[in-house]
Amino acid sequence: QMQLQESGPGLVKPSGTLSLTCAVSGGSITSSNWWSWVRRPPGKGLEWIGEVYHGGTTNYNPSLESRVIISVDRSKNQFSLNLTSVTAADTAVYYCAKEGRHLGESFFDCWGQGTLVTVSS
Amino acid sequence: QSVLTQRPSASGTPGQRVTISCSGNNSNLGNNAVNWYQEVPGTAPKLVIHSNNQRPSGVPDRFSGSKSGTSATLAISGLQSEDEADYFCATWDDSVKGPVFGGGTKLTVL
Repeated sequence: QMQLQESGPGLVKPSGTLSLTCAVSGGSITSSNWWSWVRRPPGKGLEWIGEVYHGGTTNYNPSLESRVIISVDRSKNQFSLNLTSVTAADTAVYYCAKEGRHLGESFFDCWGQGTLVTVSS
Repeated sequence: QSVLTQRPSASGTPGQRVTISCSGNNSNLGNNAVNWYQEVPGTAPKLVIHSNNQRPSGVPDRFSGSKSGTSATLAISGLQSEDEADYFCATWDDSVKGPVFGGGTKLTVL
């Protein structure tokens, strides 16, 4: 059974860069087309950050596009998130997720359990 | 504030049938299928319904989903204590060109 595990610093300074990695186990990162990052700020709903195709193509949420880079490392079976110029508003639980598909519809059929990242000096 | 609207809480007693609703607009739910996720705090979210009404393997048939226009409903029949969790809806949004989510409904089994 496929599992996803987020890792990275739990504390980032304002104006710094938030960097997280999602390790994929129990299957190959090339087994699914798209891999996403999603976040939930405290007391708020989920927000999709963006996605990466196992071949490297990316799509980003327009509200974050200028600050986000998502990349994939097939040799390590993982993908990563970099979010630059962070502020307190970027404090959130960050999840990685795998896309599934059924008759043209997409959904997330596997999630990591999430990691809290706090932006504070 | 979430793109899709859900009531913050719902409750029921064991054995009861409960419904959780989700509403959106024509750029998201009106044009795309809905998915539902179950989240127990501290654990990974779990897909319970996809493509409006499809249950993934391993999800009990007590869970069902439906969609009409810009609204969607998750129904749980024969409520069990293990169903106590947060449930959130999600769909594709044609404006964002990506998925959007509801704020989640906390289901309490009394």
